[in-house]
Amino acid sequence: DAKTTQPTSMDCAEGRAANLPCNHSTISGNEYVYWYRQIHSQGPQYIIHGLKNNETNEMASLIITEDRKSSTLILPHATLRDTAVYYCIVRVVGETSGSRLTFGEGTQLTVNP
Amino acid sequence: GAGVSQSPRYKVTKRGQDVALRCDPISGHVSLYWYRQALGQGPEFLTYFNYEAQQDKSGLPNDRFSAERPEGSISTLTIQRTEQRDSAMYRCASSSAGSYNEQFFGPGTRLTVL
Repeated sequence: DAKTTQPTSMDCAEGRAANLPCNHSTISGNEYVYWYRQIHSQGPQYIIHGLKNNETNEMASLIITEDRKSSTLILPHATLRDTAVYYCIVRVVGETSGSRLTFGEGTQLTVNP
Repeated sequence: GAGVSQSPRYKVTKRGQDVALRCDPISGHVSLYWYRQALGQGPEFLTYFNYEAQQDKSGLPNDRFSAERPEGSISTLTIQRTEQRDSAMYRCASSSAGSYNEQFFGPGTRLTVL
């Protein structure tokens, strides 16, 4: 799986948008971009994933650059409960088989009141 | 419905003892994964199963670690002759068929080797 680079930490004011960047310049054509987050000592939680088009769900939006070498996770209205470590993961996926998640260091997002 | 469950939630053992960690995936989930997480680090992949078949065990650190899923449901991760460096949070995850699908993580088992 391609390597990802994320800032170690970020701060955001409650109610504002949180924009978390991720660099994955060595991504290959069959690799997807996934985002998970981990709140305190809980297990990681899936947020969103995409291949090349921008994606949006009830939790967040994912913006992938045209060359796919970087992406941004957007939490449109951050709340205190969004304080967590956010992991950007690049992985090959297949229709029938599972595949590992390779977690890096992630970004510690702190949402301040 | 019920999520992924793991037992025990906490395990303290003495160096040299064997331990068995259990994972009960979400009902109907085909794929089951084991990860290990050290304090302040992201989870590290250990192994995974599709049904009862172990598809990838390349993340197991050495031959003291083994895992099984004999009936394609519950899985056991066994660590023989535990060492202090084995102390970590051991997390299990499961997903439905197809690796597009998100992995749901359990609460983890905190293993402490004295």
